[in-house]
Amino acid sequence: QQQVRQSPQSLTVWEGETAILNCSYEDSTFDYFPWYRLFPGESPALLIAIRPVSNKKEDGRFTIFFNKREKKLSLHITDSQPGDSATYFCAASNQGGSAKLIFGEGTKLTVSS
Amino acid sequence: EAAVTQSPRSKVAVTGGKVTLSCHQTNNHDYMYWYRQDTGHGLRLIHYSYVADSTEKGDIPDGYKASRPSQENFSLILELASLSQTAVYFCASSRDSGNTLYFGEGSRLIVV
Repeated sequence: QQQVRQSPQSLTVWEGETAILNCSYEDSTFDYFPWYRLFPGESPALLIAIRPVSNKKEDGRFTIFFNKREKKLSLHITDSQPGDSATYFCAASNQGGSAKLIFGEGTKLTVSS
Repeated sequence: EAAVTQSPRSKVAVTGGKVTLSCHQTNNHDYMYWYRQDTGHGLRLIHYSYVADSTEKGDIPDGYKASRPSQENFSLILELASLSQTAVYFCASSRDSGNTLYFGEGSRLIVV
């Protein structure tokens, strides 16, 4: 049972467009939602994270929108660049619970120029 | 300089053979993790540890053992490698539960 789901599995956008990556979760006790980015041949690295006390988190061209009622969140990448091409993983954890960070299946983003 | 290093980076193993993947961190973190990456499944937690000489099962522990002989080192052991264990394996460390994970560069395992 996949507790964190992502869509689409792959996404292609043109340079300059906004890429929208979606994520949903099952467990209402999750209270920490990081996004990790993985470039081919490299290590996954934390990109941006949000906690449910807020419904939006911005960091430059990257913004997380969070909807606690619907248990959904999305990552918006504005002015997409070819260098943004990577696999993006949504994850979730219950910080008051176990140490486990549950990852989604990932979205492979390709930005074409 | 990389704070989480994995070895080997790539390995071909025969079915039924024993495989040991090693991980070393210099972050002085208490928590260490082993994940496997498969297309369509994302990153799935195999085993983790929050203190030396103790390990915990993750979400997909079957067919894997783990060993944490010291704070810095965490190994993943496949006693009888199977074709279904072909994947990329990532080790990670974190200061404590729920904090940022710092990943190694991955170990690509192919079982033939």
